[in-house]
Amino acid sequence: GAVVSQHPSWVICKSGTSVKIECRSLDFQATTMFWYRQFPKQSLMLMATSNEGSKATYEQGVEKDKFLINHASLTLSTLTVTSAHPEDSSFYICSARGLQPGELFFGEGSRLTVL
Amino acid sequence: AQRVTQPEKLLSVFKGAPVELKCNYSYSGSPELFWYVQYSRQRLQLLLRHISRESIKGFTADLNKGETSFHLKKPFAQEEDSAMYYCALARFSGAGSYQLTFGKGTKLSVIP
Repeated sequence: GAVVSQHPSWVICKSGTSVKIECRSLDFQATTMFWYRQFPKQSLMLMATSNEGSKATYEQGVEKDKFLINHASLTLSTLTVTSAHPEDSSFYICSARGLQPGELFFGEGSRLTVL
Repeated sequence: AQRVTQPEKLLSVFKGAPVELKCNYSYSGSPELFWYVQYSRQRLQLLLRHISRESIKGFTADLNKGETSFHLKKPFAQEEDSAMYYCALARFSGAGSYQLTFGKGTKLSVIP
């Protein structure tokens, strides 16, 4: 199946800094990618839908200026957590649409720890 | 608003016993439901979708619109079935685009 890769797997940063997480589709072109956030022992919460060449669509309650999403190419979407704070510590997972409706290919996730 | 409920956080069964992972949904439109699975140290992956009416790794799931349920079943659990299972509901927003809403997940533990 299709492979989606995230980098870095784990990042630790100081409060106030910005962190960028990359999501790449390795062997296919992903016009649409999704960014999820997962708290410990909780479900995946959809943050935004990232469309190549256009602005991301954010879910209600997600701060656009806080979580910057860029999808500049068909194989790369990035999530930048700006001015990170400890409450932003979480597991961030990206996914790309497959050919079948409802089919998503997930990245391995990126753990962010803000000190 | 759409909602997916998985009432059990943890389900433990003995090897060879039947398994049923419960999923209920709330959605005003025509639902399309999926089960995703995450094995230990692996990424989430699609297990099955209701429109395909398929059996994957011995698992089946039937959409019951009357009960708004999409329970995942397997007649005989295997140790390798131990994983985290997520039920998901697709919300279509036109022009072929959609988003998935996930339940909180159920951790299945198969006891040898």
